[in-house]
Amino acid sequence: DQQVKQNSPSLSVQEGRISILNCDYTNSMFDYFLWYKKYPAEGPTFLISISSIKDKNEDGRFTVFLNKSAKHLSLHIVPSQPGDSAVYFCAASGGFQKLVFGTGTRLLVSP
Amino acid sequence: NAGVTQTPKFRVLKTGQSMTLLCAQDMNHEYMYWYRQDPGMGLRLIHYSVGEGTTAKGEVPDGYNVSRLKKQNFLLGLESAAPSQTSVYFCASTNDRPARYGYTFGSGTRLTVV
Repeated sequence: DQQVKQNSPSLSVQEGRISILNCDYTNSMFDYFLWYKKYPAEGPTFLISISSIKDKNEDGRFTVFLNKSAKHLSLHIVPSQPGDSAVYFCAASGGFQKLVFGTGTRLLVSP
Repeated sequence: NAGVTQTPKFRVLKTGQSMTLLCAQDMNHEYMYWYRQDPGMGLRLIHYSVGEGTTAKGEVPDGYNVSRLKKQNFLLGLESAAPSQTSVYFCASTNDRPARYGYTFGSGTRLTVV
């Protein structure tokens, strides 16, 4: 049973435009949600997180939005840059400091 | 540089062989994790440890064993490798607020079982 889902395996945007990556979850007990970025042949790196008691968190070009009633979160990247091309994983905190990951979305930002 | 180091980076095993993957962190983190990444499956938790001398099962523990004899090291063992264990394995570690600051991941071990 996939508790965290990323239904879009890939996304293509042009440089300078907005990238929106989406994630859905099923477990209402998750208390934190995170986004990770992964380049080929490297481990995932932490990008941004949001507490379940908030609906928005911003860090530079990256903003995460949380809609608890819809069990949905999204990552907005504005403006998108070619260096943002990577696989993005959303994750949720499931207790005992364990993270449950989604399947990932491959973002391609073209010049 | 401080971080999580995984060895080896690549390995090819024959079915039935055994091996141990080593994860070492120098950040004095309490919690350590082993994940596997497969196409279309994301990262799935194999085993984890909440401190030296402790281990616990994750989502997909079958066919693997782990040990955490020293705080800085977390070993993942495959006693009898199977082709289904072909994957990329990631180790991660964290302090006591992983949900806020995230894990630190190693660069991965690509394992092929033939």
